[in-house]
Amino acid sequence: DTEVTQTPKHLVMGMTNKKSLKCEQHMGHRAMYWYKQKAKKPPELMFVYSYEKLSINESVPSRFSPECPNSSLLNLHLHALQPEDSALYLCASSVLTSGRAYEQYFGPGTRLTVT
Amino acid sequence: DAKTTQPPSMDCAEGRAANLPCNHSTISGNEYVYWYRQIHSQGPQYIIHGLKNNETNEMASLIITEDRKSSTLILPHATLRDTAVYYCIVSAFWGNEKLTFGTGTRLTIIP
Repeated sequence: DTEVTQTPKHLVMGMTNKKSLKCEQHMGHRAMYWYKQKAKKPPELMFVYSYEKLSINESVPSRFSPECPNSSLLNLHLHALQPEDSALYLCASSVLTSGRAYEQYFGPGTRLTVT
Repeated sequence: DAKTTQPPSMDCAEGRAANLPCNHSTISGNEYVYWYRQIHSQGPQYIIHGLKNNETNEMASLIITEDRKSSTLILPHATLRDTAVYYCIVSAFWGNEKLTFGTGTRLTIIP
């Protein structure tokens, strides 16, 4: 199974709502990532989890709160978002071994619209 | 991570080889060259990576110049399904944790 799944596929939320995005993989990967992609732009890294611990936060606003409850699951909790946060949110995973290069497997993304 | 430069767009006739160039003149010795592509409205898909030797897999070939300052991704027999944005990324090999996507090349395969 080389699939990364993301739910929901689409999400519309108001600026006062709280919602969560979910990502799951069963490849035994110990690195998991959140990316944000605005329309017609390349993906931008938001967070990296290594062995279920947050290892990289690319100065993301606190209204985005990541969580890695176990090695297969990655959540992104959303609260008090702004319309400019509307984007495609991509999850990815990879093997994590220092000294070797491994590819990242991406999910299909959650398309988020903030109204 | 080193920065990459790619042409914004390219066309290729169906059935011909598509050659996508990438310039990474500031690459350092511990950085790999990765290629990913993104078909419209899908997540990026890994294609291939290399350090200094040429590489080939079932999807593509990667040719890296001897000085490692540029590379070319070759899709040997392009099909309409290869229409996508292709990203060349340079990243250090410890952990492969930080892919920095550039603007990529939008490749259009012409029937």
